[in-house]
Amino acid sequence: DTGVSQDPRHKITKRGQNVTFRCDPISEHNRLYWYRQTLGQGPEFLTYFQNEAQLEKSRLLSDRFSAERPKGSFSTLEIQRTEQGDSAMYLCASRPSGSSYEQYFGPGTRLTVT
Amino acid sequence: QKEVEQDPGPLSVPEGAIVSLNCTYSNSAFQYFMWYRQYSRKGPELLMYTYSSGNKEDGRFTAQVDKSSKYISLFIRDSQPSDSATYLCAMSLRITQGGSEKLVFGKGTKLTVNP
Repeated sequence: DTGVSQDPRHKITKRGQNVTFRCDPISEHNRLYWYRQTLGQGPEFLTYFQNEAQLEKSRLLSDRFSAERPKGSFSTLEIQRTEQGDSAMYLCASRPSGSSYEQYFGPGTRLTVT
Repeated sequence: QKEVEQDPGPLSVPEGAIVSLNCTYSNSAFQYFMWYRQYSRKGPELLMYTYSSGNKEDGRFTAQVDKSSKYISLFIRDSQPSDSATYLCAMSLRITQGGSEKLVFGKGTKLTVNP
């Protein structure tokens, strides 16, 4: 499978715990995006990486959230001290450089905070 | 007022019907206009995109953009049960650094096509 992959697909955690999600983009896609989707809503942009550089962060990304892409390949999104409001689907997307604009989405990680 | 407004439905139609899905937007800086389809518990997949005002057709799907009215539509002809999904309109907004765009999505319209 050469699509965007995300791990885990589903995470249940207790309030106050830390969680980390992983995204593996399509090979050679240097642009990577994280979005968050809550029930009944469309995805909302969180952050953008070009290679290993984090170039844009949404104000939705509070201090408890941190994202990395250390070698310009896979990316991780960590949420510290989770809150019930963090329950959502976290989607990763990737895109090649150049004129193509299409962002290819992964299947998402569904986070449930109890 | 949100930047992108989309009626969440739900919308239920019989097989073979013509489906019309719509979004309005307020930000003139949006560049590309897209429709994504999302099946339950899956990531969105791109169906169609347009850049300028006018129509674009791809098989049973037609995307329409009216920039003067800030209105976009997706028409599905001869709808099939396999078209049952949530349809999300999305619009691209330039990111300050890096020469890329972020997508701003509508809420999505849940469509059911009944056999």
